Amino acid sequence: AQTVTQSQPEMSVQEAETVTLSCTYDTSENNYYLFWYKQPPSRQMILVIRQEAYKQQNATENRFSVNFQKAAKSFSLKISDSQLGDTAMYFCAFMKHSNNNDMRFGAGTRLTVKP
Amino acid sequence: DAGVTQSPTHLIKTRGQQVTLRCSPKSGHDTVSWYQQALGQGPQFIFQYYEEEERQRGNFPDRFSGHQFPNYSSELNVNALLLGDSALYLCASSLMAHRLPYSNQPQHFGDGTRLSIL
Repeated sequence: AQTVTQSQPEMSVQEAETVTLSCTYDTSENNYYLFWYKQPPSRQMILVIRQEAYKQQNATENRFSVNFQKAAKSFSLKISDSQLGDTAMYFCAFMKHSNNNDMRFGAGTRLTVKP
Repeated sequence: DAGVTQSPTHLIKTRGQQVTLRCSPKSGHDTVSWYQQALGQGPQFIFQYYEEEERQRGNFPDRFSGHQFPNYSSELNVNALLLGDSALYLCASSLMAHRLPYSNQPQHFGDGTRLSIL
């Protein structure tokens, strides 16, 4: 079974600063996908960034980047130049490389960006 | 281009009742997955529907059942409701992986249905 662990229940950062959210996972699979989703108070889960495990290069989407360490089974999210609109719950998720959408989520990290 | 839509937005039921939640996938998507998100937790996978059949199932009892219609929309049914069923129920849609390169298949989530059991 795959498990996803987010060890930081809450974090805060000053506007324009950089923050890193941690995520570790446990799996025996070799091919899989990792995701970071953002869930603002509006409730909708929004995909922030995605990483294929077979790719060594870390994914980047504008101010969001990941540090993917496959051997350590670590997948952290770095948010640069934090904005007030980044305030939300952030979920790390794992999905096997197969024909299904069974995603396993961590418990989430509540990020607050302070003005 | 409409995204994933779910109805109703909120629902209040009592223990022992039955409930049906509905989901319309994003235009062009053929696969629907349902998740339960308890307060303060991450979503838990319930099951996935493709070609009107349940394809994958998480660790949920048979009280949780579903259906997918020819237009790809889906329903989640929960029987004999328990207090512990109170949660946000999320629907996610995507295009089945073999239709396109798998790396291009993110799930799109709806806003969820908040179910409260009294």
